[in-house]
Amino acid sequence: GESVGLHLPTLSVQEGDNSIINCAYSNSASDYFIWYKQESGKGPQFIIDIRSNMDKRQGQRVTVLLNKTVKHLSLQIAATQPGDSAVYFCAENSGGSNYKLTFGKGTLLTVNP
Amino acid sequence: NAGVTQTPKFRILKIGQSMTLQCTQDMNHNYMYWYRQDPGMGLKLIYYSVGAGITDKGEVPNGYNVSRSTTEDFPLRLELAAPSQTSVYFCASRTGRDDQPQHFGDGTRLSIL
Repeated sequence: GESVGLHLPTLSVQEGDNSIINCAYSNSASDYFIWYKQESGKGPQFIIDIRSNMDKRQGQRVTVLLNKTVKHLSLQIAATQPGDSAVYFCAENSGGSNYKLTFGKGTLLTVNP
Repeated sequence: NAGVTQTPKFRILKIGQSMTLQCTQDMNHNYMYWYRQDPGMGLKLIYYSVGAGITDKGEVPNGYNVSRSTTEDFPLRLELAAPSQTSVYFCASRTGRDDQPQHFGDGTRLSIL
């Protein structure tokens, strides 16, 4: 089975609300995690990453939280906008120094105006 | 910079035909990767390369071949196309520095009939 999975396959929010997308991983040896955004017909776009020695990392309107105790990763998007509508994937580095990523199935985020 | 460029964007093949999916990057990245993405699923690693002349198998390499004669180019070859290879193919690259994300092209949509 997949080592990275998502709790919610779809998420619908109102414009201006905060969004939280969750991800579970099973490989306790993974040391680097990435969130990607994929719009229809496009390749995955890097959003934010976090190393396993950190619990939290903030970017512009996005925050990633890592809980190693329960092997859980979340992406928080503040003041969600219609342009945030996309599929969001978490990925973990399961390949050591080769950085071979294992991807979850993704969560479809829909932002309603 | 163009980033990661994939050609063609779309292709329809007949069973048993062969083709090469092209991928080139202008970021002087050492690491390059090929993934496939089936509908509603995450990305699965086919092959990867850590530098010119070096390639290795990923999770789903059967039916594919790769070569890496230059830093810029990482073509993916399908020798005998099968319906199970209908998918969207993504190429990605990354620098060799630790904890740097992969950057993706916009994909090649391949249908085998």
